[in-house]
Amino acid sequence: QVQLVQSGAEVKKPGASVNLPCKASGYTFTLYYMHWVRQTPGQGLEWMGMINTRGGTTIFAQNFQDRVTMTRDTSTSTVYMELISLRSEDTAIYYCARENIVGGVLENWGQGTLVTVSS
Amino acid sequence: QSALTQPPSASGSPGQSVTISCTGTSSDVGGYNYVSWFQQYPGQAPKLVISEVTKRPSGVPDRFSGSKSGNTASLTVSGLQAEDEADYYCSSYAGSNNYVFGTGTKVTVL
Repeated sequence: QVQLVQSGAEVKKPGASVNLPCKASGYTFTLYYMHWVRQTPGQGLEWMGMINTRGGTTIFAQNFQDRVTMTRDTSTSTVYMELISLRSEDTAIYYCARENIVGGVLENWGQGTLVTVSS
Repeated sequence: QSALTQPPSASGSPGQSVTISCTGTSSDVGGYNYVSWFQQYPGQAPKLVISEVTKRPSGVPDRFSGSKSGNTASLTVSGLQAEDEADYYCSSYAGSNNYVFGTGTKVTVL
């Protein structure tokens, strides 16, 4: 079955960066796009961007374009999301989510990684 | 891209129906039939309950149904059960591989 496994919680200082992995299994990795979505404490969901796992091309939400990078390692079926210049407002749970094969639906989600930004 | 607008809360007694709205624009909800609904329990990841406006993934009870009219999509939960108490979020494709989420609705079963 499809599994997206994310890493454990991280604590970062303001100005630092974080690089979060999302390891996929149970399907052919390069056939599906992967997205990242975050959820700030007590708030809603915010789409950050996506990566084409075959070619590596990325598209980012305007709010994150200057600070986010997404990469993938096809040998380990893992995608990574790096967010730089962290500030307290970036404290959130970060989810990876797999898009369905025909597009338009985020059908499988990782369990999320809590990132806390605090001095 | 602005968040889609949902009511903060909705409620109903067991057995009743509750409908949640999700209002966007012609650039997202109104422009594409790629509206999804997610159910989220505290401390858990979102779970897809409706895709492409009306489709129910395997395993989702048929008490959950979706619809759309113009720039507003809706999720209806019929025959409310205690286990339906959760947060619900809509999302929509917004063109150019962009997505937007709703503000979320907390459903309470009275």
